[in-house]
Amino acid sequence: EPEVTQTPSHQVTQMGQEVILRCVPISNHLYFYWYRQILGQKVEFLVSFYNNEISEKSEIFDDQFSVERPDGSNFTLKIRSTKLEDSAMYFCASSDVGEIRQFFGPGTRLTVL
Amino acid sequence: GQQLNQSPQSMFIQEGEDVSMNCTSSSIFNTWLWYKQDPGEGPVLLIALYKAGELTSNGRLTAQFGITRKDSFLNISASIPSDVGIYFCAGVSGTYKYIFGTGTRLKVLA
Repeated sequence: EPEVTQTPSHQVTQMGQEVILRCVPISNHLYFYWYRQILGQKVEFLVSFYNNEISEKSEIFDDQFSVERPDGSNFTLKIRSTKLEDSAMYFCASSDVGEIRQFFGPGTRLTVL
Repeated sequence: GQQLNQSPQSMFIQEGEDVSMNCTSSSIFNTWLWYKQDPGEGPVLLIALYKAGELTSNGRLTAQFGITRKDSFLNISASIPSDVGIYFCAGVSGTYKYIFGTGTRLKVLA
């Protein structure tokens, strides 16, 4: 069964550094999403992306965050200047057109020191 | 912002027991979803509800979309050890904006 993949599985960075988290959505899906989950807490919506532009974003998704689909397969989340509170699991998800069902990747654990 | 509150926060049950959990919101949603998250993994969709009052089953799972469109519940019948995990409700708002609930952590005692 096709699946969403994410790299790296764990990223450690220093506060103030830029990080790029990578995702490869399921190949025929057209909607892409990023979520974060602080340890032990709920899953928080960050952004949805369709047709090369942001469809929806949450209050968390401020100017420090950006998303990009640099080619036909990758979907990235960039955090420009990481803060300690950015430490969390970041999940990518994708869905097909007209489908509510999202498929989640295994997540990237980001640790900001 | 929109918030979905789930209760209970956590529960221990004996294998074979039925489980019930719910999700409430101050906002109306047009679609409700229930997910399960295993440790170290992303959430997996269990049930999707599209209409107020809808009752849907998936094996031992049954979920209902409240008629006010502000709540939903999930029942698991005859629980088994692999049901352990965190269960999240989610409401879909706007165009593809998914708001997740606070989660119910389920632990099953064999």
